[in-house]
Amino acid sequence: DIQLTQSPSFLSASVGDTVTITCRASQDISSYLAWYQQKPGKAPNLLIYAASTLQSGVPSRFSGSGSGTEFTLTISSLQPEDFATYYCQQLNNYPITFGQGTRLEIK
Amino acid sequence: EVQLVESGGGLVQPGGSLRLSCAASGFIFSDYYMDWVRQAPGKGLEWVGRSRNKPNSYTREYAPSVKGRFTISRDDSKNSLYLQMSSLKTEDTAVYYCIRAHEGSGWRAFDYGGQGTLVTVSS
Repeated sequence: DIQLTQSPSFLSASVGDTVTITCRASQDISSYLAWYQQKPGKAPNLLIYAASTLQSGVPSRFSGSGSGTEFTLTISSLQPEDFATYYCQQLNNYPITFGQGTRLEIK
Repeated sequence: EVQLVESGGGLVQPGGSLRLSCAASGFIFSDYYMDWVRQAPGKGLEWVGRSRNKPNSYTREYAPSVKGRFTISRDDSKNSLYLQMSSLKTEDTAVYYCIRAHEGSGWRAFDYGGQGTLVTVSS
């Protein structure tokens, strides 16, 4: 199985800050990486697919980059609604796997 | 509007069985791969399995943790996805989400999910 390791696991930031979350894969996954935002009691919401493509309707302050084994999600100018948990996901191999999550909280 | 509505969750004893359903609307269900994802209380997301579409012979994939115990099926005539769970363990306790998967045009992701249904395995 492909392991995805997100860092940090917890992040405290203020409205207006820029934050970056890293996702490292245990082997090459090409660009089959997606990023999701999840709020309590809700299904995960797709933000980025193919490592760097913004899903329709997602604000442009979200951006993704990377390929192979190292990927990043950057959120610029944090808004109050961005405080949530973020997951990376690989869809290159079965079983499909997720990172352990990064909880973003308001400082 | 895409809608996915799960049902069938509840309390079941270890070793028991349960069948979850997912009613889909707002898109051509038969065109899509459909997945199940679960989330144990206070934990992260875990992929459970996938049903491919008719052009791909409705083949299925499963996570190692559920293979041999869970079975995914679908009825395109009813726009419905199912998850038959048997030999349930306490560690299967989770919210189960029905997910629409995008496969094709060079990208893959889960683009819609339902509200989830809670399965509790306990004696």
